[in-house]
Amino acid sequence: QQQVKQSPQSLIVQKGGISIINCAYENTAFDYFPWYQQFPGKGPALLIAIRPDVSEKKEGRFTISFNKSAKQFSLHIMDSQPGDSATYFCAAKGRGSTLGRLYFGRGTQLTVWP
Amino acid sequence: NAGVTQTPKFRILKIGQSMTLQCTQDMNHNYMYWYRQDPGMGLKLIYYSVGAGITDKGEVPNGYNVSRSTTEDFPLRLELAAPSQTSVYFCASGGGRGTEAFFGQGTRLTVV
Repeated sequence: QQQVKQSPQSLIVQKGGISIINCAYENTAFDYFPWYQQFPGKGPALLIAIRPDVSEKKEGRFTISFNKSAKQFSLHIMDSQPGDSATYFCAAKGRGSTLGRLYFGRGTQLTVWP
Repeated sequence: NAGVTQTPKFRILKIGQSMTLQCTQDMNHNYMYWYRQDPGMGLKLIYYSVGAGITDKGEVPNGYNVSRSTTEDFPLRLELAAPSQTSVYFCASGGGRGTEAFFGQGTRLTVV
């Protein structure tokens, strides 16, 4: 059972456009929602993260929008650049007995055309 | 600052062989994890550890074993390699309450 569902699987955006990746979860025990960026041949690296008591977090061109009631969160990349071409994973972390354990979405391969 | 170091980077195993994937971190993190990444499937948790001497199963533990004798090291053991274990393996560590996970560069394993 996929704890975190991510869409789309792939995304093609023109340079300067907005990239939007969506994720949904079921488990209300999740208390931390990070996004990871992965380039070919590299390990995932933390891009930006949010906690459920905040509806939006922005860092430069990257914004997370969080809808607690709908159990959904999304990553927006403004002014997308060819250097943003990578695979993006959303994730969720549980509290309590599963403290520290991350559940990942299946990933979105983003291609930004120049 | 090395972060999380995995060895080897690449390995080809024959069916039935065994091997250990090494993982070392120098950030004094309590939490460490092993994931496998298959195309289009995201990252699946194999095993994780919340401190030296403590390990627990993740989503896909069958065919693997781990140990955590020190804070720094978290090796993953494959006893009888099978083609289904062909994958890219990532080790990660997270500090404090495990909020941020730092990943190694990965080990690409092929079982033939």
